[in-house]
Amino acid sequence: AQSVTQLDSQVPVFEEAPVELRCNYSSSVSVYLFWYVQYPNQGLQLLLKYLSGSTLVKGINGFEAEFNKSQTSFHLRKPSVHISDTAEYFCAVSDKGAQKLVFGQGTRLTINP
Amino acid sequence: DAGVIQSPRHEVTEMGQEVTLRCKPISGHNSLFWYRQTMMRGLELLIYFNNNVPIDDSGMPEDRFSAKMPNASFSTLKIQPSEPRDSAVYFCASSPQAGEYNEQFFGPGTRLTVL
Repeated sequence: AQSVTQLDSQVPVFEEAPVELRCNYSSSVSVYLFWYVQYPNQGLQLLLKYLSGSTLVKGINGFEAEFNKSQTSFHLRKPSVHISDTAEYFCAVSDKGAQKLVFGQGTRLTINP
Repeated sequence: DAGVIQSPRHEVTEMGQEVTLRCKPISGHNSLFWYRQTMMRGLELLIYFNNNVPIDDSGMPEDRFSAKMPNASFSTLKIQPSEPRDSAVYFCASSPQAGEYNEQFFGPGTRLTVL
């Protein structure tokens, strides 16, 4: 069964600094990969997704992620964060053709002024 | 178009009482998912439906939990009897029928507190 590991439960950064949130998944032949964001007291929203093609995926709000098959990773990055990026971020994976998403434990991103 | 609608947004009940959570998926979406989120266990898939039929309920914690989808626009998650350890945020999500990919659209959640 698929599993997802988000290596950092909390990441504090200063405003306008770059950030990387790490995600590793268990090996599989073909997968779809997702990053979701959850703002306080809200549901999850899709940030970006990797289905196929270019390994660098761009999403909303200036976020991007890179799929690395050899390292089974899908790390999320943003070159300059804003206070409004304060939220919890979830990495998720599904096997191609499967409907079930397996989520990581989440990373709480805190932006300090 | 309205997103996924969940009700109630907050529910406080006493141990032993029956709790019913409701979900209206996005119109035209054929798949519906129920999740539970807690600090300890993170986001767990409880059950999902395709075309109103339960496909996988392996995440339902025990017989006290049941879910139904009587039609394409409505689903319920019932806990009877409720226990304090059921306190969590319950999310409903919907997605188009599995095709190219399975983006899920989440509702705002129901925060359940069982005293």
